[in-house]
Amino acid sequence: GAVVSQHPSRVICKSGTSVKIECRSLDFQATTMFWYRQFPKQSLMLMATSNEGSKATYEQGVEKDKFLINHASLTLSTLTVTSAHPEDSSFYICSARREQGNQPQHFGDGTRLSIL
Amino acid sequence: DQQVKQNSPSLSVQEGRISILNCDYTNSMFDYFLWYKKYPAEGPTFLISISSIKDKNEDGRFTVFLNKSAKHLSLHIVPSQPGDSAVYFCAASAEASWGKLQFGAGTQVVVTP
Repeated sequence: GAVVSQHPSRVICKSGTSVKIECRSLDFQATTMFWYRQFPKQSLMLMATSNEGSKATYEQGVEKDKFLINHASLTLSTLTVTSAHPEDSSFYICSARREQGNQPQHFGDGTRLSIL
Repeated sequence: DQQVKQNSPSLSVQEGRISILNCDYTNSMFDYFLWYKKYPAEGPTFLISISSIKDKNEDGRFTVFLNKSAKHLSLHIVPSQPGDSAVYFCAASAEASWGKLQFGAGTQVVVTP
Protein backbone atom coordinates (compact mmCIF):
# COMPACT_ATOMS: atom_id res chain seq x y z
CA GLY A 1 0.00 0.00 0.00
CA ALA A 2 0.93 3.65 -0.32
CA VAL A 3 3.44 4.92 2.18
CA VAL A 4 3.33 8.54 1.08
CA SER A 5 0.07 10.39 0.57
CA GLN A 6 -0.19 13.60 -1.41
CA HIS A 7 -3.23 15.85 -1.53
CA PRO A 8 -4.90 17.23 -3.57
CA SER A 9 -4.36 15.19 -6.71
CA ARG A 10 -5.54 17.94 -9.00
CA VAL A 11 -6.04 21.67 -8.69
CA ILE A 12 -7.47 24.09 -11.24
CA CYS A 13 -7.54 27.71 -10.21
CA LYS A 14 -7.29 31.27 -11.40
CA SER A 15 -4.07 33.18 -11.81
CA GLY A 16 -3.04 34.93 -8.60
CA THR A 17 -4.36 32.23 -6.30
CA SER A 18 -2.10 30.57 -3.75
CA VAL A 19 -2.26 26.78 -3.67
CA LYS A 20 -1.19 24.49 -0.84
CA ILE A 21 -0.16 20.88 -1.45
CA GLU A 22 0.23 18.43 1.42
CA CYS A 23 2.57 15.47 1.61
CA ARG A 24 2.23 12.92 4.41
CA SER A 25 4.30 9.92 5.32
CA LEU A 26 1.73 7.37 6.40
CA ASP A 27 3.50 4.83 8.55
CA PHE A 28 6.89 6.26 9.27
CA GLN A 29 8.50 9.44 10.44
CA ALA A 30 10.33 11.43 7.84
CA THR A 31 12.72 14.10 8.99
CA THR A 32 13.43 14.82 5.35
CA MET A 33 11.00 15.10 2.46
CA PHE A 34 11.64 16.22 -1.07
CA TRP A 35 9.58 18.21 -3.56
CA TYR A 36 9.90 17.64 -7.30
CA ARG A 37 8.39 19.17 -10.38
CA GLN A 38 7.82 17.42 -13.67
CA PHE A 39 7.08 19.10 -16.99
CA PRO A 40 5.38 17.08 -19.74
CA LYS A 41 7.62 14.39 -21.18
CA GLN A 42 10.52 15.48 -19.00
CA SER A 43 12.25 14.12 -15.97
CA LEU A 44 11.60 14.92 -12.34
CA MET A 45 13.47 18.00 -11.20
CA LEU A 46 14.22 18.43 -7.53
CA MET A 47 12.92 21.74 -6.25
CA ALA A 48 13.74 21.62 -2.57
CA THR A 49 14.57 19.48 0.41
CA SER A 50 12.14 19.87 3.29
CA ASN A 51 13.67 19.48 6.74
CA GLU A 52 11.50 18.97 9.81
CA GLY A 53 11.86 21.85 12.20
CA SER A 54 14.16 23.91 10.04
CA LYS A 55 14.21 25.86 6.82
CA ALA A 56 13.94 24.08 3.52
CA THR A 57 16.92 23.88 1.21
CA TYR A 58 16.12 25.08 -2.29
CA GLU A 59 17.82 24.03 -5.50
CA GLN A 60 19.41 26.62 -7.70
CA GLY A 61 16.89 28.60 -9.68
CA VAL A 62 13.92 27.80 -7.44
CA GLU A 63 12.35 30.88 -5.84
CA LYS A 64 11.90 30.25 -2.15
CA ASP A 65 9.39 33.09 -1.82
CA LYS A 66 7.35 31.61 -4.63
CA PHE A 67 7.39 28.04 -3.36
CA LEU A 68 6.93 28.09 0.40
CA ILE A 69 7.74 24.87 2.21
CA ASN A 70 6.74 24.04 5.74
CA HIS A 71 7.72 20.80 7.49
CA ALA A 72 6.08 21.27 10.85
CA SER A 73 5.87 17.64 11.90
CA LEU A 74 7.66 14.37 11.23
CA THR A 75 4.85 13.18 8.96
CA LEU A 76 3.76 16.30 7.10
CA SER A 77 5.37 18.69 4.66
CA THR A 78 3.45 21.33 2.70
CA LEU A 79 4.31 23.19 -0.47
CA THR A 80 2.50 26.46 -1.12
CA VAL A 81 2.68 27.95 -4.59
CA THR A 82 2.10 31.62 -3.91
CA SER A 83 0.31 33.89 -6.36
CA ALA A 84 0.34 31.17 -8.97
CA HIS A 85 0.57 32.04 -12.65
CA PRO A 86 0.08 29.90 -15.78
CA GLU A 87 3.80 29.17 -16.00
CA ASP A 88 3.55 27.45 -12.59
CA SER A 89 1.23 24.85 -14.10
CA SER A 90 2.98 21.53 -13.69
CA PHE A 91 2.97 18.16 -11.97
CA TYR A 92 4.32 18.44 -8.42
CA ILE A 93 5.47 15.33 -6.58
CA CYS A 94 6.74 14.82 -3.06
CA SER A 95 8.79 12.01 -1.63
CA ALA A 96 9.98 10.80 1.74
CA ARG A 97 12.30 8.13 2.98
CA ARG A 98 12.14 6.14 6.18
CA GLU A 99 15.51 6.88 7.70
CA GLN A 100 18.97 8.09 6.95
CA GLY A 101 21.39 6.05 4.94
CA ASN A 102 20.80 4.41 1.60
CA GLN A 103 17.07 3.90 1.63
CA PRO A 104 14.70 4.36 -1.31
CA GLN A 105 12.52 7.42 -1.42
CA HIS A 106 8.83 6.71 -1.70
CA PHE A 107 6.73 9.07 -3.74
CA GLY A 108 3.25 10.46 -3.46
CA ASP A 109 0.93 10.26 -6.43
CA GLY A 110 1.57 13.85 -7.40
CA THR A 111 -0.55 16.96 -7.81
CA ARG A 112 -1.52 18.27 -11.22
CA LEU A 113 -1.67 22.05 -10.92
CA SER A 114 -3.38 23.99 -13.69
CA ILE A 115 -3.46 27.77 -13.48
CA LEU A 116 -5.92 29.48 -15.79
CA ASP B 1 24.30 19.64 -16.39
CA GLN B 2 22.59 16.26 -16.60
CA GLN B 3 24.39 13.95 -14.19
CA VAL B 4 22.20 10.95 -14.91
CA LYS B 5 21.47 10.06 -18.50
CA GLN B 6 19.09 7.65 -20.12
CA ASN B 7 19.88 7.87 -23.80
CA SER B 8 17.03 5.70 -25.03
CA PRO B 9 13.74 7.57 -24.81
CA SER B 10 11.76 4.49 -25.76
CA LEU B 11 11.97 0.72 -25.93
CA SER B 12 9.58 -1.74 -27.50
CA VAL B 13 9.79 -5.40 -26.49
CA GLN B 14 7.70 -8.46 -27.07
CA GLU B 15 5.92 -10.08 -24.16
CA GLY B 16 8.04 -12.82 -22.61
CA ARG B 17 11.30 -11.36 -23.85
CA ILE B 18 13.93 -9.48 -21.87
CA SER B 19 13.80 -5.69 -21.48
CA ILE B 20 17.16 -4.01 -20.95
CA LEU B 21 17.22 -0.40 -19.87
CA ASN B 22 20.47 1.53 -19.67
CA CYS B 23 21.62 4.44 -17.58
CA ASP B 24 24.90 6.37 -17.41
CA TYR B 25 26.08 8.79 -14.78
CA THR B 26 28.89 11.29 -14.47
CA ASN B 27 29.17 12.04 -10.75
CA SER B 28 31.63 9.68 -9.06
CA MET B 29 30.19 10.67 -5.67
CA PHE B 30 26.97 8.78 -6.36
CA ASP B 31 26.81 5.77 -4.09
CA TYR B 32 23.22 4.61 -4.40
CA PHE B 33 21.23 3.91 -7.53
CA LEU B 34 17.55 3.25 -7.99
CA TRP B 35 15.04 2.41 -10.67
CA TYR B 36 11.51 3.72 -10.57
CA LYS B 37 8.49 2.91 -12.70
CA LYS B 38 5.97 5.61 -13.49
CA TYR B 39 2.53 5.67 -15.02
CA PRO B 40 1.01 8.91 -16.33
CA ALA B 41 -0.45 11.20 -13.66
CA GLU B 42 1.00 9.07 -10.87
CA GLY B 43 4.08 9.31 -8.71
CA PRO B 44 7.06 7.04 -9.37
CA THR B 45 6.99 3.59 -7.81
CA PHE B 46 10.22 2.19 -6.42
CA LEU B 47 11.37 -0.97 -8.19
CA ILE B 48 14.88 -1.89 -7.18
CA SER B 49 18.07 -0.31 -5.95
CA ILE B 50 21.75 -1.06 -5.70
CA SER B 51 24.51 0.26 -3.51
CA SER B 52 27.86 1.15 -5.00
CA ILE B 53 29.51 -1.67 -3.05
CA LYS B 54 27.65 -4.23 -5.14
CA ASP B 55 27.57 -4.97 -8.84
CA LYS B 56 24.29 -6.86 -9.02
CA ASN B 57 20.99 -6.93 -7.22
CA GLU B 58 18.08 -9.17 -8.10
CA ASP B 59 14.43 -9.03 -7.07
CA GLY B 60 12.08 -11.37 -8.87
CA ARG B 61 11.91 -10.43 -12.54
CA PHE B 62 14.06 -7.35 -12.00
CA THR B 63 17.85 -7.31 -11.91
CA VAL B 64 20.03 -4.24 -11.72
CA PHE B 65 23.69 -4.34 -12.77
CA LEU B 66 26.22 -1.70 -11.81
CA ASN B 67 29.55 -1.12 -13.55
CA LYS B 68 31.30 1.54 -11.51
CA SER B 69 34.34 1.82 -13.72
CA ALA B 70 32.13 2.61 -16.67
CA LYS B 71 29.67 4.65 -14.58
CA HIS B 72 26.90 2.60 -16.08
CA LEU B 73 23.95 0.68 -14.75
CA SER B 74 21.24 -1.33 -16.38
CA LEU B 75 17.88 -2.81 -15.46
CA HIS B 76 16.87 -6.18 -16.83
CA ILE B 77 13.26 -7.25 -16.77
CA VAL B 78 12.62 -10.85 -17.65
CA PRO B 79 10.18 -12.02 -18.72
CA SER B 80 8.55 -8.78 -19.81
CA GLN B 81 4.82 -8.51 -19.24
CA PRO B 82 2.22 -6.10 -20.69
CA GLY B 83 1.83 -4.53 -17.23
CA ASP B 84 5.46 -3.49 -17.41
CA SER B 85 4.57 -0.87 -20.01
CA ALA B 86 5.44 2.42 -18.31
CA VAL B 87 8.17 5.04 -18.11
CA TYR B 88 11.25 3.86 -16.21
CA PHE B 89 13.48 6.35 -14.46
CA CYS B 90 17.01 5.77 -13.33
CA ALA B 91 18.02 7.79 -10.28
CA ALA B 92 21.18 8.26 -8.28
CA SER B 93 22.10 9.82 -4.99
CA ALA B 94 25.10 10.60 -2.87
CA GLU B 95 24.70 10.31 0.88
CA ALA B 96 26.97 13.31 1.20
CA SER B 97 24.16 15.25 -0.49
CA TRP B 98 21.58 14.10 2.04
CA GLY B 99 20.13 11.56 -0.32
CA LYS B 100 18.90 13.98 -2.95
CA LEU B 101 17.96 12.07 -6.07
CA GLN B 102 19.09 13.00 -9.55
CA PHE B 103 16.86 11.50 -12.20
CA GLY B 104 17.48 10.48 -15.76
CA ALA B 105 15.09 11.57 -18.49
CA GLY B 106 13.25 8.27 -18.48
CA THR B 107 12.68 5.44 -20.96
CA GLN B 108 9.19 4.64 -22.20
CA VAL B 109 8.81 0.87 -22.34
CA VAL B 110 6.07 -0.71 -24.40
CA VAL B 111 5.53 -4.43 -24.07
CA THR B 112 3.63 -5.86 -27.01
CA PRO B 113 1.64 -9.11 -26.94
